[in-house]
Amino acid sequence: DAKTTQPPSMDCAEGRAANLPCNHSTISGNEYVYWYRQIHSQGPQYIIHGLKNNETNEMASLIITEDRKSSTLILPHATLRDTAVYYCIVRWGSSNTGKLIFGQGTTLQVKP
Amino acid sequence: DVKVTQSSRYLVKRTGEKVFLECVQDMDHENMFWYRQDPGLGLRLIYFSYDVKMKEKGDIPEGYSVSREKKERFSLILESASTNQTSMYLCASRSVRQRYGRTEAFFGQGTRLTVV
Repeated sequence: DAKTTQPPSMDCAEGRAANLPCNHSTISGNEYVYWYRQIHSQGPQYIIHGLKNNETNEMASLIITEDRKSSTLILPHATLRDTAVYYCIVRWGSSNTGKLIFGQGTTLQVKP
Repeated sequence: DVKVTQSSRYLVKRTGEKVFLECVQDMDHENMFWYRQDPGLGLRLIYFSYDVKMKEKGDIPEGYSVSREKKERFSLILESASTNQTSMYLCASRSVRQRYGRTEAFFGQGTRLTVV
């Protein structure tokens, strides 16, 4: 699975959009980009995923560059409850033997 | 809802003890994972099982073994616990049957193990 690079930490004002970047320059054609987040003292939770098109769900939007070497997770109106560690992962969508490797993630601090 | 249940939330064991951490999932998922999480090091994969009786080492398997005799249960075993195995342990499961590429992992709440 391709390796990802994320900034270790970011701050965001409450009510503003939080834009979390991820670099995955070695991604291959069949690999999906997944985002998870981990709120303190809980297990990570799935947020969103995508292959090459931009995606949106009730939690967030995912923007993937045309060359697929990077992506951005957007929380459109961040709240204090969005304070968490955010992980970007790249993996084969259909592989049943692929490991799920997490990096160190980005710690997002949403401030009042 | 998918449920991944870890047998203990907090555990204290003595150095040299054999420790079993149990994880059960109720969604017939093929893949199961064990991670440990330490401050500043993120989530590190210990072992991975892609199906019953199948296992594969992760990034840090030393000092650990696993057992997957039934599809719903994945056990992590510390053969002889040491203080450097004090950590948060997280179990996850995942289906390989994707819908629109979506095969996310579901995590348990974690077991905080302290070895004294």
